[in-house]
Amino acid sequence: DQQVKQNSPSLSVQEGRISILNCDYTNSMFDYFLWYKKYPAEGPTFLISISSIKDKNEDGRFTVFLNKSAKHLSLHIVPSQPGDSAVYFCAASALSGNTPLVFGKGTRLSVIA
Amino acid sequence: GAGVSQSPSNKVTEKGKDVELRCDPISGHTALYWYRQRLGQGLEFLIYFQGNSAPDKSGLPSDRFSAERTGESVSTLTIQRTQQEDSAVYLCASSPGPGNTIYFGEGSWLTVV
Repeated sequence: DQQVKQNSPSLSVQEGRISILNCDYTNSMFDYFLWYKKYPAEGPTFLISISSIKDKNEDGRFTVFLNKSAKHLSLHIVPSQPGDSAVYFCAASALSGNTPLVFGKGTRLSVIA
Repeated sequence: GAGVSQSPSNKVTEKGKDVELRCDPISGHTALYWYRQRLGQGLEFLIYFQGNSAPDKSGLPSDRFSAERTGESVSTLTIQRTQQEDSAVYLCASSPGPGNTIYFGEGSWLTVV
């Protein structure tokens, strides 16, 4: 029973174009959402987060959008760069509860030069 | 240190042997997590420590797995009688408190032969 789902295991995008990574969740108690990026042989690194009181958070080339009614969030990277090639994990938690982050299975992004 | 530190970084062990993996969280972080990632899989939650609360062990896959944490510092994950399916990267993470952004170490790569 996956509470956080990333239905696309992989995505390939041309350099300079927009990358859109999607994530769906089922637990309505989740109110804090994060994206992590993972390169091979390294631990995941935090990228960007959003709380449920917002529907958009932007940091440079990265923007996360949250649609609470659809229980859906997405990460937009624009323009995409070859160095963005990595596995991206979506994660969620309920800040009001003492619970660990729940991760999706990840989407492997390949940015082609 | 500045980040989460894990040791050993790589471990090859024979099936049936016990292994211990160590994690030094970021100083001052009260929450500590263990996750693992098997080949081709997502991040699988194992166990979560928060301050003096009883740990959340709901993710431990079997009674061969156990973890301890000394106060709000070092944690050790122990796998007894290792099996080949235990081969994975074991990731430790810490955060200032429950539900916050978590910061991962580089992982301990375990191979059971």
